[in-house]
Amino acid sequence: TQLLEQSPQFLSIQEGENLTVYCNSSSVFSSLQWYRQEPGEGPVLLVTVVTGGEVKKLKRLTFQFGDARKDSSLHITAAQPGDTGLYLCAGAHNQGGKLIFGQGTELSVKP
Amino acid sequence: DTAVSQTPKYLVTQMGNDKSIKCEQNLGHDTMYWYKQDSKKFLKIMFSYNNKELIINETVPNRFSPKSPDKAHLNLHINSLELGDSAVYFCASSPGVLGGRAWGEQFFGPGTRLTVL
Repeated sequence: TQLLEQSPQFLSIQEGENLTVYCNSSSVFSSLQWYRQEPGEGPVLLVTVVTGGEVKKLKRLTFQFGDARKDSSLHITAAQPGDTGLYLCAGAHNQGGKLIFGQGTELSVKP
Repeated sequence: DTAVSQTPKYLVTQMGNDKSIKCEQNLGHDTMYWYKQDSKKFLKIMFSYNNKELIINETVPNRFSPKSPDKAHLNLHINSLELGDSAVYFCASSPGVLGGRAWGEQFFGPGTRLTVL
C-alpha cells in the first residue's frame, strides 16, 4: 500500500508566525502536488513539483521536493488568517493519473 | 462559468436506497475522477475514466457503478446505500492521461455531501 504521511494533522498559530508542513513516504513519486481546500469546496492545486530537490515559491509559500522524490515540505512565512484551510499533499505515480493523498493538515491562523 | 460541477450538493437518504450523483466538466478535459473524502478529511480515489474508458478502479464495493456517457460527464450510481457510505464525494477532471502518466492539474468539483441515515 502506498502511503503519504502528512504532519502535523492540526496546526493553530498566530498571524505572522512561520510554519512547515511535511509529507513523507517510502514510495518514489513521479511528481507531487500540494492542494488547499476550504470548507464546502473542492481542493485547489497550489503547485506541482517534479524534479528531485526542486524548490518552488508562491508568494509566501515555499514548496520543496526531496532529492529522492519521496517527500516534500510546504513552508509558509508570516502566516495570515487568509491562509487558514486544509492543506493536502498528493503523490502521482505513472498509473493513469492516480493521486495518493496525505491525511491533510488543518491550518488555523488567528489574527 | 463553473469548470467542474456536481449535483446535488447535499444528499440525505435512508439506508438501502439507490442514489446517483452527477458530474459535468466544461474544460474539454479527457480524464475524469471520483474521489471519496471521509469524516477525517482523507481523500481517496475511487474511479477514473479517460475518454469514456475506465482506467482506474480502486477496491470499491460493486454497489458503486460509475458511468461516463461522454468525456464531459461522469456519473456515480450507488446501490443499497449503507451507513459507511456517508462522506463527501468529489468529482475531478484533468487534461488527460498520456502514456499512462497524468498530465496537468486535477480540477475538483465542489463536492456532494452524502448522508445515509
